[in-house]
Amino acid sequence: ETGVTQTPRHLVMGMTNKKSLKCEQHLGHNAMYWYKQSAKKPLELMFVYNFKEQTENNSVPSRFSPECPNSSHLFLHLHTLQPEDSALYLCASSPQGRQGNSEAFFGQGTRLTVV
Amino acid sequence: KQEVTQIPAALSVPEGENLVLNCSFTDSAIYNLQWFRQDPGKGLTSLLLIQSSQREQTSGRLNASLDKSSGRSTLYIAASQPGDSATYLCAVTNNDMRFGAGTRLTVKP
Repeated sequence: ETGVTQTPRHLVMGMTNKKSLKCEQHLGHNAMYWYKQSAKKPLELMFVYNFKEQTENNSVPSRFSPECPNSSHLFLHLHTLQPEDSALYLCASSPQGRQGNSEAFFGQGTRLTVV
Repeated sequence: KQEVTQIPAALSVPEGENLVLNCSFTDSAIYNLQWFRQDPGKGLTSLLLIQSSQREQTSGRLNASLDKSSGRSTLYIAASQPGDSATYLCAVTNNDMRFGAGTRLTVKP
């Protein structure tokens, strides 16, 4: 266990559904991140939050909507997704923003399948 | 834009061998470099973090080196075991954390 917990671990949703992914960390970290990992591609950074404020949106389509109510919780709200959005979605946290001189810890991921 | 490359893409070795995984990056202005392990369908487990001012880090049978000026890092695994089989990812941080595509390692008994 890394201290970063993601739920659910697996999710199958239709293109018209609305669902949310949850990430939780109790490591006392101030920065949290969403990454997307598609087959045969490097991890892609989606969003960065520092002290609950979004500091980076890496040109992510609006059908992905992040929410960070506090430093310990991060959500990714999903609506009207496409089959090509099927991937492993990974949450990470680190002590400070921009992952400066600090170590990043990852959750186990949510395997999302859009049908 | 930072580009991170890992060579080889896949590696298969017999148990007991020492091996080296390579990572190169194009922008040397990094804060740190981190090596991760990923098992199939799972998240990433941090192995070693090298700060930009450091040259290497060691943890057990693992040793990671960093040469910032040449944009290279290596992960050395001593006396490999079947349990080391996984995908190994390197990531460099400057403005954000950029990952390589990984090296898929298989250690055969």
